[in-house]
Amino acid sequence: RKEVEQDPGPFNVPEGATVAFNCTYSNSASQSFFWYRQDCRKEPKLLMSVYSSGNEDGRFTAQLNRASQYISLLIRDSKLSDSATYLCVVKPPGSSAGGTSYGKLTFGQGTILTVHP
Amino acid sequence: DARVTQTPRDKVTEMGQEVTMRCQPILGHNTVFWYRQTMMQGLELLAYFRNRAPLDDSGMPKDRFSAEMPDATLATLKIQPSEPRDSAVYFCASGLVVTGELFFGEGSRLTVL
Repeated sequence: RKEVEQDPGPFNVPEGATVAFNCTYSNSASQSFFWYRQDCRKEPKLLMSVYSSGNEDGRFTAQLNRASQYISLLIRDSKLSDSATYLCVVKPPGSSAGGTSYGKLTFGQGTILTVHP
Repeated sequence: DARVTQTPRDKVTEMGQEVTMRCQPILGHNTVFWYRQTMMQGLELLAYFRNRAPLDDSGMPKDRFSAEMPDATLATLKIQPSEPRDSAVYFCASGLVVTGELFFGEGSRLTVL
């Protein structure tokens, strides 16, 4: 089983739609979670961190469900400019500050979103 | 604006040739990563450095790939000999271990003929 799994999509939605992506992770002790965004032929960039209580940033809402080991990203009122690949990122636990996994991030394969007029 | 700098941006080479990619991480960052991205595999971790020490290169084909960080301002990824299946975009990223945010370079697009 992959450490981080995402539905690759593609998701094709009209402008104004609400769309949600899920991501599952295998290590229940994982510490931190993030969503990155990658535009076509560009590098990934941090979209938002995911906090235990859930968090919002404008039209974007991220949630964490530790019991089921998944995180989600909800985009409301989709814009054409939201078209991109959304990458789920997990930071596994480090056994100590000196552990080899400490600080390492694992990326999901990404979910492709296309917003059309 | 501090950013991660990668060279070359694009490289076309023939099978069997040596390829070296370079990365200048953001000053002060203590983690450096090399990732490879293809349509089929997504982002694959090749190497991970923390405070310049190589901690994880389990994702890297050891017989032909090597990654080093000779000093805090330079990380290198070398492929020797290169093969067509190495064609991909190679990203370098740096960050601070405590925050988890990574800053990526623009990538090196490698084509091996």
